[in-house]
Amino acid sequence: GAVVSQHPSWVICKSGTSVKIECRSLDFQATTMFWYRQFPKQSLMLMATSNEGSKATYEQGVEKDKFLINHASLTLSTLTVTSAHPEDSSFYICSARDNGDEQYFGPGTRLTVT
Amino acid sequence: DAKTTQPPSMDCAEGRAANLPCNHSTISGNEYVYWYRQIHSQGPQYIIHGLKNNETNEMASLIITEDRKSSTLILPHATLRDTAVYYCIVRVGGGNAGNMLTFGGGTRLMVKP
Repeated sequence: GAVVSQHPSWVICKSGTSVKIECRSLDFQATTMFWYRQFPKQSLMLMATSNEGSKATYEQGVEKDKFLINHASLTLSTLTVTSAHPEDSSFYICSARDNGDEQYFGPGTRLTVT
Repeated sequence: DAKTTQPPSMDCAEGRAANLPCNHSTISGNEYVYWYRQIHSQGPQYIIHGLKNNETNEMASLIITEDRKSSTLILPHATLRDTAVYYCIVRVGGGNAGNMLTFGGGTRLMVKP
């Protein structure tokens, strides 16, 4: 079945530093990938939609200069949290859409900013 | 996409059927009903989806009312590993690349021994 991986699974960083999270589709090509954020005891909130080879589309209220998304290939999208602050601490989840209509989710990355 | 309403939490005894309801009274004719679940600290897992007919797979059954305004996800023999948050989502299907999934609050199912 379709598998999506994320790396790292968890990361702790200091305030002011940048963190890069990778999302890979392992056995299929994903022209579209989605990035979600989930705070404790809350639901997933879509941050942005990225299409291979083009700029990401960000949801309202998500700062595109803070959350840099690069979808350079059909199997890899990256999310970089720039100048991270404690309020950016969250569970970041990606999903990848195959050539059909289904989305497959990664296992998530837990970011803690100290 | 249409909005869905689910009870915030439910309990179920291990081995019994878990019936999770979802209301989607504003669903459009071209919107599918999708169910995902999220076990603690993991990414969401696809369970099942349907348009208007009842559907069954190895994980669950999906019962959609004739007017399509509500549906029920049935886990026939719940186990402790089925403890999770279950999300009911309606969205346009048919290969539209713009169709992101909009997650509501979901139902937190607790399966008890």
